[in-house]
Amino acid sequence: DAKTTQPPSMDCAEGRAANLPCNHSTISGNEYVYWYRQIHSQGPQYIIHGLKNNETNEMASLIITEDRKSSTLILPHATLRDTAVYYCIVRVFPTGTASKLTFGTGTRLQVTL
Amino acid sequence: KAGVTQTPRYLIKTRGQQVTLSCSPISGHRSVSWYQQTPGQGLQFLFEYFSETQRNKGNFPGRFSGRQFSNSRSEMNVSTLELGDSALYLCASNDPGLAGETQYFGPGTRLLVL
Repeated sequence: DAKTTQPPSMDCAEGRAANLPCNHSTISGNEYVYWYRQIHSQGPQYIIHGLKNNETNEMASLIITEDRKSSTLILPHATLRDTAVYYCIVRVFPTGTASKLTFGTGTRLQVTL
Repeated sequence: KAGVTQTPRYLIKTRGQQVTLSCSPISGHRSVSWYQQTPGQGLQFLFEYFSETQRNKGNFPGRFSGRQFSNSRSEMNVSTLELGDSALYLCASNDPGLAGETQYFGPGTRLLVL
């Protein structure tokens, strides 16, 4: 799986959009970009994933650059409950077997009043 | 749909004992993965089961074992516990999907070995 680079920490005011960047310059054509988050001492929570098109769901939007070398996770209206460590993962869509997930150090997002 | 459930949520054991953790995946998911998470090592893959068969295994000693039942529920067992086994044990329910596989995690079982 391609390596990802994320800033170690970010702050965001409650109600504002949180834009979390991820660099994955060595991504291959068949690798997906996944985002998870983990609130302290809880299990990781799946947020969103995509291949090359921008994606949106009820939690967030994922913007992938045209060359796919970087992406941004957007939480449109951050709340205090969004304070967590966010992990950007790049991995191949497995065929016939669930590939293991590997989390890097992620970005610690602190949402403040 | 109900999410992934793990029992127990917290456990305290002493060295040398053994422990069994349980995981019920999301209804309809046939694949379950287990992970160990510690502050020092981060998230480490233990093994994955699909239709009662172990499909993938991480680099853990034989003290760590697992199984899956016909209803997709899974258990993992750790024998002869060591202090270093203290960790958050996570179960993930795997959805193959049509546009990328997604793993949904349970709340975890926090194991403390004294």
